[in-house]
Amino acid sequence: AQSVSQHNHHVILSEAASLELGCNYSYGGTVNLFWYVQYPGQHLQLLLKYFSGDPLVKGIKGFEAEFIKSKFSFNLRKPSVQWSDTAEYFCAVNLGNFNKFYFGSGTKLNVKP
Amino acid sequence: NAGVTQTPKFQVLKTGQSMTLQCAQDMNHEYMSWYRQDPGMGLRLIHYSVGAGITDQGEVPNGYNVSRSTTEDFPLRLLSAAPSQTSVYFCASGPPSGSYNEQFFGPGTRLTVL
Repeated sequence: AQSVSQHNHHVILSEAASLELGCNYSYGGTVNLFWYVQYPGQHLQLLLKYFSGDPLVKGIKGFEAEFIKSKFSFNLRKPSVQWSDTAEYFCAVNLGNFNKFYFGSGTKLNVKP
Repeated sequence: NAGVTQTPKFQVLKTGQSMTLQCAQDMNHEYMSWYRQDPGMGLRLIHYSVGAGITDQGEVPNGYNVSRSTTEDFPLRLLSAAPSQTSVYFCASGPPSGSYNEQFFGPGTRLTVL
């Protein structure tokens, strides 16, 4: 079965610290990759996505992610977090047939002011 | 555009009761899907549809039925609710398969089954 792994379940950072959240998937074929964010009490919103081309993709609010095919990874990064980044972050994979999305278990980020 | 709307926002059921969670989108998206979100498990796909009249099962379809009679609507039916179905349910929609699709999520329905 396909799976998406997010190894960091809960991350606590101080403002201005750098962030890297890991995401690994277990599918050897063509994939599309996404990071979604869920702010407290809200629905999921797209942060960024990768379909092809430059493996370093930039998203909203200063987030970026790097696709490393050899490592089956799509890690999310931000150089300097803000208190408003406190949220839960989900990595998702869409397989080559485009019809099924698989989500990781999520990482809760708590940024202390 | 209202985007993806879901009703109700909250619902409490007794074991064995049935109900339908409503989902509608006004973006003319062909792809629609239902997920449940449980603590520590992320989102798991229940059912999805690639167009009116076409539905298929996701990871956790047992206990749920869907139908897609129009492009806009994709209701999720619980025929006989069980406590294990206590969860937050999200509906999502997206452009047709084969395009650079992403999913747009609704606000969710928090369901408690007693």
